[in-house]
Amino acid sequence: ILNVEQSPQSLHVQEGDSTNFTCSFPSSNFYALHWYRWETAKSPEALFVMTLNGDEKKKGRISATLNTKEGYSYLYIKGSQPEDSATYLCAPINTGTASKLTFGTGTRLQVTL
Amino acid sequence: EPEVTQTPSHQVTQMGQEVILRCVPISNHLYFYWYRQILGQKVEFLVSFYNNEISEKSEIFDDQFSVERPDGSNFTLKIRSTKLEDSAMYFCASSEGRSTQYFGPGTRLTVL
Repeated sequence: ILNVEQSPQSLHVQEGDSTNFTCSFPSSNFYALHWYRWETAKSPEALFVMTLNGDEKKKGRISATLNTKEGYSYLYIKGSQPEDSATYLCAPINTGTASKLTFGTGTRLQVTL
Repeated sequence: EPEVTQTPSHQVTQMGQEVILRCVPISNHLYFYWYRQILGQKVEFLVSFYNNEISEKSEIFDDQFSVERPDGSNFTLKIRSTKLEDSAMYFCASSEGRSTQYFGPGTRLTVL
């Protein structure tokens, strides 16, 4: 069973603040890491799939980096907006599995005016 | 934009009853999945399905669970004899390959 940790568990920031969260996972047998954004009562929305050590991906104000050697990924949000309020989930996939996502507990972000 | 759909959005059942949760994956996708989230816990993998057979399943996915793709569009999860602890949000997902998995909005199952 993969041990996937996300921190912090929750975060409360003001509009315009930049913020970041961490996802830690076992570095052995790494295949890929997925990031999802999940708003209450909606489908989890795919943000990034990252595979290579040193990968950096960007989507608008959201970006992510990956370190497969030490087993972590950072998600950054620049200039947070209230619509960024959601739970951000990471899920690594190991080489030994078909495509089973093992989710962390998520970081719950709340952005207020 | 194509999306995964699930029905019903909420299912209430009595303990011991059978339930079927339905999903319509994105039409050109070949890989299908079920996950669930018990309230307050992590989202957990249940099963993956490819080429009309289960490709991987978790320890949770025991004999009371089964999956089926009865036609070219639907993908179902059957729980044969529901238990109280089966109460959870069940998510279906699909993908083209070992790539981004697209999730449906979920079915909330409540077992009384």
